[in-house]
Amino acid sequence: GAVVSQHPSRVICKSGTSVKIECRSLDFQATTMFWYRQFPKQSLMLMATSNEGSKATYEQGVEKDKFLINHASLTLSTLTVTSAHPEDSSFYICSARANGGIRAQPQHFGDGTRLSIL
Amino acid sequence: EDQVTQSPEALRLQEGESSSLNCSYTVSGLRGLFWYRQDPGKGPEFLFTLYSAGEEKEKERLKATLTKKESFLHITAPKPEDSATYLCAVLARHASGGSYIPTFGRGTSLIVHP
Repeated sequence: GAVVSQHPSRVICKSGTSVKIECRSLDFQATTMFWYRQFPKQSLMLMATSNEGSKATYEQGVEKDKFLINHASLTLSTLTVTSAHPEDSSFYICSARANGGIRAQPQHFGDGTRLSIL
Repeated sequence: EDQVTQSPEALRLQEGESSSLNCSYTVSGLRGLFWYRQDPGKGPEFLFTLYSAGEEKEKERLKATLTKKESFLHITAPKPEDSATYLCAVLARHASGGSYIPTFGRGTSLIVHP
């Protein structure tokens, strides 16, 4: 159980292109979804947190107009990198967390999207 | 400010050589501590949740323990397939009082040689 599917796994595109990444929880309802960026040999850098039906909360330094997040349902969140440039090239990972009531629930991660902007 | 420190940064073991990874934390109002395994080019895979000091969880060759200041991930008789980066995360109330936001450590890169 607790499977999170992230697509696409790899994107290579030209500078100026907008790229959409989907994150789906397949067998549970995700009250909260997270989007991370990870640089080589470094830990996860939280970009934003989204709750279903609400606007995403972005971490300091993350441009909300650049990284559009939509959490339209309890099983789907999307990250759109608008007008991507080479410096946006990175490994993007989503995670989803169910509402566990009193007990804190773990996040379950997708397998990431390798974004390469030429 | 919540802080999570993992040590060592990297660890090389021979197959069968047991060891422990450390996760020290400073948070207010710990809600849970999580261990994950991350293979190269993949997202982290959930291993354990620990909620209170004294709690232990086991899965195959891995055993996680928790005190009020740190958690250990013990690896008994590791095999080459245990090679991965192990991440620790703690969950406490966000500084803004909003959603619970996890704080991740930088991870321990484990290599087990045959």
